[in-house]
Amino acid sequence: TQLLEQSPQFLSIQEGENLTVYCNSSSVFSSLQWYRQEPGEGPVLLVTVVTGGEVKKLKRLTFQFGDARKDSSLHITAAQPGDTGLYLCAGARNAGNMLTFGGGTRLMVKP
Amino acid sequence: DAGVIQSPRHEVTEMGQEVTLRCKPISGHNSLFWYRQTMMRGLELLIYFNNNVPIDDSGMPEDRFSAKMPNASFSTLKIQPSEPRDSAVYFCASKSAVYGYTFGSGTRLTVV
Repeated sequence: TQLLEQSPQFLSIQEGENLTVYCNSSSVFSSLQWYRQEPGEGPVLLVTVVTGGEVKKLKRLTFQFGDARKDSSLHITAAQPGDTGLYLCAGARNAGNMLTFGGGTRLMVKP
Repeated sequence: DAGVIQSPRHEVTEMGQEVTLRCKPISGHNSLFWYRQTMMRGLELLIYFNNNVPIDDSGMPEDRFSAKMPNASFSTLKIQPSEPRDSAVYFCASKSAVYGYTFGSGTRLTVV
């Protein structure tokens, strides 16, 4: 059982559609990060959220941290084929630097 | 900045052989992490170092796995003897307080 549960696990959509990916846990995290990973490469950090209720925007991507700091969501507006990849959420506890990763959401955006 | 550099990119070895994976973190980053990624288990933290000192190795699966960081610019992850179930992509990441985590491109290990 993953400490961080991501849903959906797989998502295939058409270019121009909107989508939301969820990251849920029963544990509280001091911060939560979202990464995107492409085949043959390591995860690349997209954003870090640290405050309950925080919303951050990165172009067409909107990230939200739950009020209780147990969950997060990533919303993509008008998805493009370049958004295709594996999206990972990762939580850090107060214990230090350690990150616990969710299982990931594999997104495919078809032209 | 060349980022986190891992070598080799691909390694194929026979069961029972020793495997050594290498990582050069970003200069100035004081934390280094080793992760393993598989389809079944996702990304799992194996061990991490702060200022070259191992802090938590509870994720290291067995005594066959060992990691060292002799200085701030180099770390190794060794598997001896290797087994087919060790096949995975192994990532090294370094972290700074300002810029957060940066992952290397990984080493794809296949043990046959």
